[in-house]
Amino acid sequence: KAGVTQTPRYLIKTRGQQVTLSCSPISGHRSVSWYQQTPGQGLQFLFEYFSETQRNKGNFPGRFSGRQFSNSRSEMNVSTLELGDSALYLCASSLQGLLREQYFGPGTRLTVT
Amino acid sequence: DAKTTQPPSMDCAEGRAANLPCNHSTISGNEYVYWYRQIHSQGPQYIIHGLKNNETNEMASLIITEDRKSSTLILPHATLRDTAVYYCIVRVAREAAGNKLTFGGGTRVLVKP
Repeated sequence: KAGVTQTPRYLIKTRGQQVTLSCSPISGHRSVSWYQQTPGQGLQFLFEYFSETQRNKGNFPGRFSGRQFSNSRSEMNVSTLELGDSALYLCASSLQGLLREQYFGPGTRLTVT
Repeated sequence: DAKTTQPPSMDCAEGRAANLPCNHSTISGNEYVYWYRQIHSQGPQYIIHGLKNNETNEMASLIITEDRKSSTLILPHATLRDTAVYYCIVRVAREAAGNKLTFGGGTRVLVKP
């Protein structure tokens, strides 16, 4: 079956703009989680959605938000972009929940200039 | 707050066992230990997880000390394809606040022929 897909794969934005990233989970997976990965901070957890509800949240400012649709597809939005938001944003889906045998997508590489 | 530490790098000979340590000295009763790995340019891949007992699957074994302050991931017969960054992650279930994840910095494992 198809894996987790993320679009777009690469994105360049300017400081102050906002961006929306998309994630399509593996069919049947209702849990979708988002992570940020940077060379300096490593992997950090953003949030997890399960059946359209945010179930877990990491320690990121309110500029980072997300949502999940009834078909389990998820979007992540970052408003008022800062240079420090440049990162690889990873989406993962799971049948069971946060971290439990999650399958990761290839990520979206966001560059903020 | 929980803290998870890993050595930054280690080498391993092909065919030998690779033992990857993780220190989570602030762990308490209901925290799971997860291991994921990330091969260059790919999203992380689930390996194994455990709470108190040792666990084994087709990829690896997880040994958790009796006091649960540290764990070791064992790759029994390392191959060149096991070259990756290995992450130890502690998941804390908090009654009212959802789950909190604490990521280790990752161990870069190089399997040499």
